[in-house]
Amino acid sequence: KAGVTQTPRYLIKTRGQQVTLSCSPISGHRSVSWYQQTPGQGLQFLFEYFSETQRNKGNFPGRFSGRQFSNSRSEMNVSTLELGDSALYLCASSLIQHSTDTQYFGPGTRLTVL
Amino acid sequence: DAKTTQPNSMESNEEEPVHLPCNHSTISGTDYIHWYRQLPSQGPEYVIHGLTSNVNNRMASLAIAEDRKSSTLILHRATLRDAAVYYCILMLGSNSGYALNFGKGTSLLVTP
Repeated sequence: KAGVTQTPRYLIKTRGQQVTLSCSPISGHRSVSWYQQTPGQGLQFLFEYFSETQRNKGNFPGRFSGRQFSNSRSEMNVSTLELGDSALYLCASSLIQHSTDTQYFGPGTRLTVL
Repeated sequence: DAKTTQPNSMESNEEEPVHLPCNHSTISGTDYIHWYRQLPSQGPEYVIHGLTSNVNNRMASLAIAEDRKSSTLILHRATLRDAAVYYCILMLGSNSGYALNFGKGTSLLVTP
């Protein structure tokens, strides 16, 4: 079974631009979560989608948004990029949405904002 | 949200057992204890989880204190490939939305 895939793997943008990152979960998984990882803040939860509905959201500004499609694939969008948005963005999928579920992480998208 | 406390770093010799501690004194009765690890340049990967009883799998063992206020991840024979950041995470025991609250984790150094 293929793992979680994220595209693109690397991205360079300039301040003020917007960016869209994509995540394809493991086949059959319905829950997709997004995390931001920076050296200073570590791994921080962005949001989680289940059956095309955002069920949980972390403490990030409205510039960060996401969506999930009927095939469970998910995208996240960051508008009006700031230098501080430079980070590794990780996507994780799980089978349903339960506290005993294992989350499977993708390799991440490395975003650099210049 | 209930919080976890872990040492910033630990060091172990190869082929020796490693005990990674985690304190979670504010844990509630329905919180599951999860451990993930992140190898260099990779996304986190699941290691093990438990609620009350000790748990074993092919990767590690999880020892949970009787009062559940602390737990210990045990790697029985550390290898160089076990060098990673290990995160102890509490998960709410419900079917509502949830998230992994990673914290800073413990950076494990394994020396030959």
